[in-house]
Amino acid sequence: EDQVTQSPEALRLQEGESSSLNCSYTVSGLRGLFWYRQDPGKGPEFLFTLYSAGEEKEKERLKATLTKKESFLHITAPKPEDSATYLCAVHDFTGGGNKLTFGTGTQLKVEL
Amino acid sequence: DAGVTQSPTHLIKTRGQHVTLRCSPISGHKSVSWYQQVLGQGPQFIFQYYEKEERGRGNFPDRFSARQFPNYSSELNVNALLLGDSALYLCASSSRRHIQETQYFGPGTRLLVL
Repeated sequence: EDQVTQSPEALRLQEGESSSLNCSYTVSGLRGLFWYRQDPGKGPEFLFTLYSAGEEKEKERLKATLTKKESFLHITAPKPEDSATYLCAVHDFTGGGNKLTFGTGTQLKVEL
Repeated sequence: DAGVTQSPTHLIKTRGQHVTLRCSPISGHKSVSWYQQVLGQGPQFIFQYYEKEERGRGNFPDRFSARQFPNYSSELNVNALLLGDSALYLCASSSRRHIQETQYFGPGTRLLVL
């Protein structure tokens, strides 16, 4: 069965202090790796989709990269409004359909 | 364009009761998936529906069922509620049934079972 592990579980940064979140995965055949942002009590907000090793995507202060074993979400010069839980997910063939298997997320807190 | 909408936003039920949650996908999207998210965990897949047919099912008991209507909206039904069913129930839509398609999530329905 596919597995997704995210680290660290929680991260506290000062405003402007860049860092990276990690998502390691085990899948029978990668069909897409997805990053979402989730604010407390709300649904996940789509950020990026990566399909193949070496692929990179950027959006404002966020940059996602993908290798054959893991993905990184790099946050450059974060601001307090970047505080949220960041979820990583992969497509999972088991169970049929377009099932996403999620990690437990990294809770990011950016302080002034 | 409106995103995925879900109703109700919050719900309180007692053990043994039944609940129906509703979801309207993004206009033009034909695939709807349901997820359960317990506090502190990532979402867990329950069902996918595409063109009114079930296309995928997660490891949930038969108390959970769903259906999709001709307008592509969907309902999730849970019978004989247990305390452990308390969670945020998320609906996600995508334009096609293909597994590479990006799924867009609604705001969720917060269910509390007492």
